[in-house]
Amino acid sequence: QVQLVQSGAEVKKPGASVKVSCKASGYTFTSYYMHWLRQAPGQGLEWMGIIFSSGSTSYAQKFQGRVTMTRDTSTSTVYMELSSLSSDDTAVYYCAREPHSGAYYLDYWGQGTLVTVSS
Amino acid sequence: QSALTQPPSVSGSPGQSVTISCTGTSSDVGGYNRVSWYQQPPGTAPKVMIFDVNNRPSGVPDRFSGSKSGNAASLTISGLQAEDEAYYYCSSYTSSSTYVFGTGTKVTVL
Repeated sequence: QVQLVQSGAEVKKPGASVKVSCKASGYTFTSYYMHWLRQAPGQGLEWMGIIFSSGSTSYAQKFQGRVTMTRDTSTSTVYMELSSLSSDDTAVYYCAREPHSGAYYLDYWGQGTLVTVSS
Repeated sequence: QSALTQPPSVSGSPGQSVTISCTGTSSDVGGYNRVSWYQQPPGTAPKVMIFDVNNRPSGVPDRFSGSKSGNAASLTISGLQAEDEAYYYCSSYTSSSTYVFGTGTKVTVL
C-alpha cells in the first residue's frame, strides 16, 4: 500500500535551515508529483510547492528563494529544505502525493513533521 | 494569494445536513473546476473527501457532496454522523499554477 513516511520533529534556532524528508513506498515513485504543505499551530493549510515527476519544481511565491525541494530516486525520497527560519515557520510540514499528473488534488499524505523555531 | 474564505464553524445534530461554503475569486475557485475538500480530525493528516468540485474518491461515503457556483464552492454533509466531527478545508488550483486553501471550518456534531 502507498505510504509516505516523514522524518522526525526538529527544533531550530532563528536564522537556521531545516531539511525534512519524505520516503515513499508502495507505488512507482518517479511517476507522481509530490507537494509540500505546512500548518502552523491552530491554523489552516498552506501550500508551499511541488516537485514534478520530471524532477522540476514550482514554489509558492511566498517561499521563493527560501525553499528548495529535491528528490533521490534511488531511495524514493523527497526533501524540503527551508532556510532563514523565523518563529513564523513553526509548523507541521506535510508531504502529499498527487494521484496522477493533472489531478489537482492530494490522495496520500505523510504523517507530518513538526518544526519548532525557537531561540 | 489570499486564503479562500470559509465559516469558522458549523454544527448539526446527528442525521441532519450541514453545508460549508468556500469563497474565492475568478482566479481560483471561479476559474477552474479544480476544487477539492479535505477532512482533518485533530492531530491527524488531512484526507481528501471531494475532488474536481463534486467527485468522491473511492471509499468516501456518498453523504459527502460538493458543488460550485461562480466564485463559491460548497461541501454538504448529509445524514451527519459523530465520526464527521473534524476540521474541513477547501482547496483550489489557481491562475498562478499554485494551490490555495481555505481558512478551515470546524464541524461539530451536537
